[in-house]
Amino acid sequence: DTEVTQTPKHLVMGMTNKKSLKCEQHMGHRAMYWYKQKAKKPPELMFVYSYEKLSINESVPSRFSPECPNSSLLNLHLHALQPEDSALYLCASSQDPRGGKAKNIQYFGAGTRLSVL
Amino acid sequence: AQTVTQSQPEMSVQEAETVTLSCTYDTSESDYYLFWYKQPPSRQMILVIRQEAYKQQNATENRFSVNFQKAAKSFSLKISDSQLGDAAMYFCAYRSGLGGSTLGRLYFGRGTQLTVWP
Repeated sequence: DTEVTQTPKHLVMGMTNKKSLKCEQHMGHRAMYWYKQKAKKPPELMFVYSYEKLSINESVPSRFSPECPNSSLLNLHLHALQPEDSALYLCASSQDPRGGKAKNIQYFGAGTRLSVL
Repeated sequence: AQTVTQSQPEMSVQEAETVTLSCTYDTSESDYYLFWYKQPPSRQMILVIRQEAYKQQNATENRFSVNFQKAAKSFSLKISDSQLGDAAMYFCAYRSGLGGSTLGRLYFGRGTQLTVWP
């Protein structure tokens, strides 16, 4: 089983709303990633959690707030977003973030398509 | 940071024919991994094939194979007997083998949009 589940699939929100994206995996992976992807562009890394600790923040605006409550779950809390934040948000996980020589493949969820009005 | 270059924004192929997608990368590391991911219209990123830099043998997964030229820093993907379901955006990606602070981050190329004609 290499499944990463993201909910919701689609989300429309106003600029004053607060919403959350959810990502779940049950593969025992200890690294989890958030990416933002605009149409016809590659994914851009936003955050990396390693063993439930935030390890990489790619200078993401504070209106995006990640949370990793446990090793299986990753949330992305959204507040006061801008229309330019409309994008596909992808979650991924991999087995061991520290193991360079391991077959550390990232498995992706299907994404949440976010529209900010 | 490592850079990954896909010089073909778009490619097309006739069903049942063979197509090759190009990827080059720039790194000073000797230990790394290379990947091809496929993203169909559903936008799900699907791993197609991977290659460990320390392996000389080119990776193969059914109709998908790679031509890995380490000295030339080239990693092309060959799709044989193309099918309509192969139509997608294909991303080449690099990951350092160092582990540690790199935390398995992927560096992506800009992608190649593959169209398959019936």
